[in-house]
Amino acid sequence: GQQVMQIPQYQHVQEGEDFTTYCNSSTTLSNIQWYKQRPGGHPVFLIQLVKSGEVKKQKRLTFQFGEAKKNSSLHITATQTTDVGTYFCAGRSGGSYIPTFGRGTSLIVHP
Amino acid sequence: DGGITQSPKYLFRKEGQNVTLSCEQNLNHDAMYWYRQDPGQGLRLIYYSQIVNDFQKGDIAEGYSVSREKKESFPLTVTSAQKNPTAFYLCASSWGLAGSNGELFFGEGSRLTVL
Repeated sequence: GQQVMQIPQYQHVQEGEDFTTYCNSSTTLSNIQWYKQRPGGHPVFLIQLVKSGEVKKQKRLTFQFGEAKKNSSLHITATQTTDVGTYFCAGRSGGSYIPTFGRGTSLIVHP
Repeated sequence: DGGITQSPKYLFRKEGQNVTLSCEQNLNHDAMYWYRQDPGQGLRLIYYSQIVNDFQKGDIAEGYSVSREKKESFPLTVTSAQKNPTAFYLCASSWGLAGSNGELFFGEGSRLTVL
């Protein structure tokens, strides 16, 4: 079945440093979604990428979808304490209309 | 305000007892889902439903049951057959099936602890 691997599992950074989390799929994806879950909270949708090589930005967050549509990344520039949380990718392949979630990357920002 | 309401937020039960978690949405979404979250495991799909009176097993359906008698409601029963039921349970909904046109909207979750 489809697998979505996400690394790293945890990332500690000093406030102001950059952060990147990576998602890799065993199959070609139709699209990929990113969610953020604050500590003690529930996942909240951030963005969806559909096209090969697509890059989207939301303020300090940059999302990329690989040319082969098998990998994706989320990059945060100059982290702030408000960025703390777990970031999940969720990929959907052509054969399945239910997205498969990665295990998430927990970001810890030290002031 | 539109959204998804899960109840209860916290639940303690003795081993061997069935437990039903409530999920109600007023977003008029067709699709609803139940996920289980364990530390370091991400979100694992238990059941999903595309329309009323229809639902499908996800990756970890054993020991769980659901019903979809109304569009806005998708309760999850954790049965005594579930070997390790202590977890954080998340209900979600979407327009159509997520990944096709849009995102998943999640409830605030129910934390079940079996003693």
